[in-house]
Amino acid sequence: GENVEQHPSTLSVQEGDSAVIKCTYSDSASNYFPWYKQELGKGPQLIIDIRSNVGEKKDQRIAVTLNKTAKHFSLHITETQPEDSAVYFCAAEQGYSTLTFGKGTMLLVSP
Amino acid sequence: NAGVMQNPRHLVRRRGQEARLRCSPMKGHSHVYWYRQLPEEGLKFMVYLQKENIIDESGMPKERFSAEFPKEGPSILRIQQVVRGDSAAYFCASLTTDFSSGANVLTFGAGSRLTVL
Repeated sequence: GENVEQHPSTLSVQEGDSAVIKCTYSDSASNYFPWYKQELGKGPQLIIDIRSNVGEKKDQRIAVTLNKTAKHFSLHITETQPEDSAVYFCAAEQGYSTLTFGKGTMLLVSP
Repeated sequence: NAGVMQNPRHLVRRRGQEARLRCSPMKGHSHVYWYRQLPEEGLKFMVYLQKENIIDESGMPKERFSAEFPKEGPSILRIQQVVRGDSAAYFCASLTTDFSSGANVLTFGAGSRLTVL
């Protein structure tokens, strides 16, 4: 089955800095890679996703890149703000739209 | 336009008791996924159901856990004879369509947090 590794497990940045979270996956058949943001006590919320037919996607301050050959994808957040502080999860899709998640990255943005 | 509704939000059970978690998907949607999140872990897929059908239960523990999604009413995740290791957050998700891309995406509820004493 699919295995998703996510790094780092924690990331502390100063407000305004950029943050990068990286994930690798094992199943070359996976072709959909969403990123979720989870705030304390809440459910995960989709923030951006990418499909295997593109290498990069951007939405305002967040972007995702995908390297299918190397089987890794990354989340980039620019101009970080304290409200970006949360746990971020990457995931890879298998059949029936089921997702395998990484273990998460706790991002702390200090004012 | 209600989202995915889960209840209870918090549930406390003693070892050996039963836990029932309920999920109502987004209105008009008939696909439900259940995921479990152990402390400081990512979400693990448990089961995928459509109305009256279990499509994929490859992530369900073989014993004590069951799920259903009847024709009427919410989907229910049932855990019999709970043990401390069952303490976790259980999330339900609807399969929805992102209209900007046409892609199917999972939209999660706020979760049910089970504590087993």
